[in-house]
Amino acid sequence: NAGVTQTPKFQVLKTGQSMTLQCAQDMNHNSMYWYRQDPGMGLRLIYYSASEGTTDKGEVPNGYNVSRLNKREFSLRLESAAPSQTSVYFCASSEVEGGSVGSPLHFGNGTRLTVT
Amino acid sequence: ELKVEQNPLFLSMQEGKNYTIYCNYSTTSDRLYWYRQDPGKSLESLFVLLSNGAVKQEGRLMASLDTKARLSTLHITAAVHDLSATYFCAGYSGGGSNYKLTFGKGTLLTVNP
Repeated sequence: NAGVTQTPKFQVLKTGQSMTLQCAQDMNHNSMYWYRQDPGMGLRLIYYSASEGTTDKGEVPNGYNVSRLNKREFSLRLESAAPSQTSVYFCASSEVEGGSVGSPLHFGNGTRLTVT
Repeated sequence: ELKVEQNPLFLSMQEGKNYTIYCNYSTTSDRLYWYRQDPGKSLESLFVLLSNGAVKQEGRLMASLDTKARLSTLHITAAVHDLSATYFCAGYSGGGSNYKLTFGKGTLLTVNP
């Protein structure tokens, strides 16, 4: 099973360039998330989508946009990349609040982005 | 807004020793998650704690939740090198289909021979 798939795995951008990070899950999950991970900062939520057609801001949304294309796919776009956006980006998915299961987030393998 | 604090942030242990990682959170949260991350890898779910007093164990790791104290602990028993990793706790907020996890900064655990 593929689980959560992120592309690309690595990317180098110059300041001002744009790019889209792709994420797809094959677990039929309703909720999807984008986090960034920086040294000493843990994971910080950028945006999330509770269901197809809805998106909400997380803790650090500035400089990013998202699209929940369908139930499987949730993309993250950087319109004008800045060095402060150098980070590792993780996409995750989960079932709708899963009662006794607790619905842990399932993470992709990450995209390592460097902005010079 | 939910805040999650872990301590210690760095932990160096000898094999065979016991230790505890603490996770405090700022507002009411009726569930708590623990994850493991190996260097350069993704995050792996370890435990989901769903209620006050919940205790879960897997091998040398045991996690517990005290919602009244807003505290979760991850206890390591007789550490082995394979447990070396970064451990994150995450608190839950929201409800229904609209929920999210807020992560602590992580505890980098190094187990030395």
